[in-house]
Amino acid sequence: AQSVAQPEDQVNVAEGNPLTVKCTYSVSGNPYLFWYVQYPNRGLQFLLKYITGDNLVKGSYGFEAEFNKSQTSFHLKKPSALVSDSALYFCAVRPSTGGFKTIFGAGTRLFVKA
Amino acid sequence: DARVTQTPRHKVTEMGQEVTMRCQPILGHNTVFWYRQTMMQGLELLAYFRNRAPLDDSGMPKDRFSAEMPDATLATLKIQPSEPRDSAVYFCASGLRLEDNEQFFGPGTRLTVL
Repeated sequence: AQSVAQPEDQVNVAEGNPLTVKCTYSVSGNPYLFWYVQYPNRGLQFLLKYITGDNLVKGSYGFEAEFNKSQTSFHLKKPSALVSDSALYFCAVRPSTGGFKTIFGAGTRLFVKA
Repeated sequence: DARVTQTPRHKVTEMGQEVTMRCQPILGHNTVFWYRQTMMQGLELLAYFRNRAPLDDSGMPKDRFSAEMPDATLATLKIQPSEPRDSAVYFCASGLRLEDNEQFFGPGTRLTVL
């Protein structure tokens, strides 16, 4: 079965420190991988995606993610966290073959303390 | 700037009533997705369309849910009859190309069925 796992319900980090939000996946074939962010009472906003090419992908608001095929991971990172980064983060995966259904992880809540 | 719009933003109704949620995708986007978000189940894909044609509605309870795109500027999700377990936030998202899968989400409709 195809799935996405975000092993941490919540991540706490101090402002100015680096942050990592973890994501692992299980899909057949080569995956398309995405990160979205959701602020309270808002829809999801696209942050970045990996389709092919360089394993390190840069996205919006200073975020980046590293695709690791051997570990089937796609962790979200930022070198220096801001209080305004506090939100709910979703990892998503879509198999490159067999339809266009995107599978979302359960989400990780990020708290950045001043 | 271009945004996905959804109406109504909030809906409270009684069990058994019909509920219609509307979505206006971003002009020029040819793919539309309907999602449901709950605390227990997270984000679930209900259905998606390309060029107004439904491609997959396997995530939708067929006996009470229906999704249509009467024209390129309007997508609707209807529940008849509604039940308390349908209470959730329903998101519409649109995209320029199904393959890219970068989706732009609307603000959601928060549905409460009493």
